Amino acid sequence: DAKTTQPPSMDCAEGRAANLPCNHSTISGNEYVYWYRQIHSQGPQYIIHGLKNNETNEMASLIITEDRKSSTLILPHATLRDTAVYYCIVRTTGTASKLTFGTGTRLQVTL
Amino acid sequence: DAGVTQSPTHLIKTRGQQVTLRCSPKSGHDTVSWYQQALGQGPQFIFQYYEEEERQRGNFPDRFSGHQFPNYSSELNVNALLLGDSALYLCASSSTLLYAVELYGYTFGSGTRLTVV
Repeated sequence: DAKTTQPPSMDCAEGRAANLPCNHSTISGNEYVYWYRQIHSQGPQYIIHGLKNNETNEMASLIITEDRKSSTLILPHATLRDTAVYYCIVRTTGTASKLTFGTGTRLQVTL
Repeated sequence: DAGVTQSPTHLIKTRGQQVTLRCSPKSGHDTVSWYQQALGQGPQFIFQYYEEEERQRGNFPDRFSGHQFPNYSSELNVNALLLGDSALYLCASSSTLLYAVELYGYTFGSGTRLTVV
C-alpha cells in the first residue's frame, strides 16, 4: 500500500470547516483513499473513501486531486465532538487487504 | 445493532505470562482483523481471520497467535509477554460480501488495554 503523509496536528474553531490534507504521491491506479478517525479511548471509525471522484456523505467530504497524489478531508461545520486523530489510508480493494495506519493528524476543535 | 465487542476492556499481566483477548464481530460480519496500538502511534496490523483460518499476517512474532470460531468470534493469544506488548489491542470486523468493505469500511471495537508489568 502507498505511504501517506499528514500534518501531525491542526486546530479548528467550532462551526468552521476543518480541512485535513493528505499526500499520497505513490498511489497506484487500483488504490483507494480511506479516512478513519479515532476519538480518545475508542476504536477507529470509518469516515469516507474514494478512488478518483470527489465524495460526500453525512459525515464529511473527500476531495481528491486530478493526479490523485493528494486529497483533503473536509468536515463542513466542525464541533467539539470532532476532536480526534484522523488517519488517511491508501489501500487496494479486496476483503483481505489490511489497513496500514500512519500517525495521523490530531485535530483539536476549540470554542 | 451491536457493533464489535471486545473483552476484557482492561488487563494487567506480568512479564512471561500468557494472555487471551476476545472479540465478537458485528452482526453479519465474517472476517476479523486484529491490530496493536502503542501509545501515540497508529494501529499496526497483526493478522486477519476468515473461515477459521489466518488469511494474512503482519510483522509480528509467533508469540502472537489467533483463532476464529464457527460463529465468527475470535481470540488473540500472546505468549511470553514482554513489557513492549503493553498496548491497546483492537479488533476490526468486516463482511466478505461483494464491496462491503469498500462501501462501509471496517468496524472497530473499543479495544482491550493490556498493561504488562
